[in-house]
Amino acid sequence: AQSVAQPEDQVNVAEGNPLTVKCTYSVSGNPYLFWYVQYPNRGLQFLLKYITGDNLVKGSYGFEAEFNKSQTSFHLKKPSALVSDSALYFCAVRDTGGGNKLTFGTGTQLKVEL
Amino acid sequence: ETGVTQSPTHLIKTRGQQVTLRCSSQSGHNTVSWYQQALGQGPQFIFQYYREEENGRGNFPPRFSGLQFPNYSSELNVNALELDDSALYLCASSTPTHRTDTQYFGPGTRLTVL
Repeated sequence: AQSVAQPEDQVNVAEGNPLTVKCTYSVSGNPYLFWYVQYPNRGLQFLLKYITGDNLVKGSYGFEAEFNKSQTSFHLKKPSALVSDSALYFCAVRDTGGGNKLTFGTGTQLKVEL
Repeated sequence: ETGVTQSPTHLIKTRGQQVTLRCSSQSGHNTVSWYQQALGQGPQFIFQYYREEENGRGNFPPRFSGLQFPNYSSELNVNALELDDSALYLCASSTPTHRTDTQYFGPGTRLTVL
């Protein structure tokens, strides 16, 4: 069965600094990886996904993610953080056994401070 | 914002009662997936409906059931509510034309069981 780990419950960064939110995965077969963001009392918003091809994936709101097969990682990055980026971030992996099930990590709370 | 809508926004029930949650999928999407997000956790896959048939189920008991209608909207029904059923229930719509489609989430229904 596939799984996703987000090793940091919370990440703090100053506005204007680069941010990284970490994610590692475990799947059999090719990984289909996703990042979602959740603001308080809201549903999940899709940021980006990796299917195949270029290891650097660009997504919404200036976010990007780097796929590293040898390290089984898919870290979310942004060159310059904004206070408005403060939210809960989830990494997810798509079921490889058929169907369209997503398995999510436990989430990382990002706090961007002035 | 996605075109996925959910109702109601909030719901309070007591143990043993039954509840029905509703989801309207984004235009053009024929698949609806339901997830349960307990406080402080990542979303957990409940089941998925594709063309009115259940198309995959997570580790949830049979008292969690669903329907999908010809217009692709969906219902999640939970019988014999337990305290642990208190959570945010999210639905997501997609069109699995291939294995790499993206799920778009609604705002969720917050269920509280007393």
